[in-house]
Formats: sequence, C-alpha cells, structure tokens
Amino acid sequence: KAGVTQTPRYLIKTRGQQVTLSCSPISGHRSVSWYQQTPGQGLQFLFEYFSETQRNKGNFPGRFSGRQFSNSRSEMNVSTLELGDSALYLCASTGTSYNEQFFGPGTRLTVL
Amino acid sequence: LAKTTQPISMDSYEGQEVNITCSHNNIATNDYITWYQQFPSQGPRFIIQGYKTKVTNEVASLFIPADRKSSTLSLPRVSLSDTAVYYCLVGGRLYTNAGKSTFGDGTTLTVKP
Repeated sequence: KAGVTQTPRYLIKTRGQQVTLSCSPISGHRSVSWYQQTPGQGLQFLFEYFSETQRNKGNFPGRFSGRQFSNSRSEMNVSTLELGDSALYLCASTGTSYNEQFFGPGTRLTVL
Repeated sequence: LAKTTQPISMDSYEGQEVNITCSHNNIATNDYITWYQQFPSQGPRFIIQGYKTKVTNEVASLFIPADRKSSTLSLPRVSLSDTAVYYCLVGGRLYTNAGKSTFGDGTTLTVKP
C-alpha cells in the first residue's frame, strides 16, 4: 500500500506571497492532520480534517487554512507569508485503529 | 491536553539497551501513549503504542505503570541507525480527539560505535 505523499517536497517563496501544499493520505484513510515543524518550536499541530470537515484546529493564525476533498486528499494554504513560516510542513493520515498516524516526508518551505 | 516531558538528549553505545522515559502527569482516561521516531528531514515514524502495562513489538517495548503518569520506551540492542529523535505522544483515539494529540519536545538519541 502506498504511503502518504506530499507535494511539493521543497518550496521557496518570498514574504507576502501565498502557498498551497498538497497531501494524499494512505488509501482508505479519512483523517488527515497537518503539522508545522521548526527547530525552535518543535512539532506543532495545525489542523485535522475528517470527511471533508475540519475536526480539530491548533493555535495558528487565520493565515493558515486547509481543506479536504471527497477523495480524502488535503491541501493547506498559507497566505501573506512571513519569514517565520519557514518550516517543514508534515501531513499525517490516520486509519481506523487507535491513534497511529502515518506521516508523509513533508514539504520544506523557505520564505525569503 | 496532556503535556509530556522527556529528556532532551541521551547517548548510548551499539548493542546496549536504551530506555527513554516520558512523563505525562495529566493523562486522561481515554488517552493512549504513542512513540514515534524521526530522522532528519523525514516525517515521524510510528514505533509503538499502548494504554497500560506492557506492550512489545518487533522493534521496541513500552512499559506503562498502573498510574499511567509516565511511560518508558525500551530499545533493545541499539545500533548506529537508531540515532534519531524519539517523541512521546499522548492523545485520544480516532474519532474522538486524535487531532488534539500533543507532541513533546522529543529526545535526541545518539548511538556511538
């Protein structure tokens, strides 16, 4: 079974721009969570989607948004990029058993 | 949300057993304890999960005391390739509050030859 895929793997943007990241979960998984990872803040939860609905949300500004499609693929968008948004953005999908999250390789976003 | 506390770093040598303890004093009744391993520039990888007592799989064991306020990940006979960051995660099951799970700061394990 294919794992979680994220595109693009690397991205360079400038301040003020917006960016869209994509995540395809493992086939059959309906829950997709997004995390931001930085050296200073560690792994921080952004939001979780289940069946096209945002079910949980972390403590991030409204510039960070997401959505999930009927095929469970998810996108996250960051508008008006700031230097501090430079991070590894990880997507994780969860199946039906317990809280085992399968993470993708991440998208490395650099904001200049 | 249950906050977790782990040692920032640990050193070991090849072939030794490594035990990493995570403290989670505010764990809720429905919370599970999950451990992940992460290599640089990769996403975390699931290692093991448990609710109480002891769980063992092909790569690790997880010991959880009766009060569940802490847990210990045990890695038998580590090798150089086990050098990574290990995260303890406490959170609910899917369909409840899976998305509210809290990652700790992680423990950087360095295995030396």
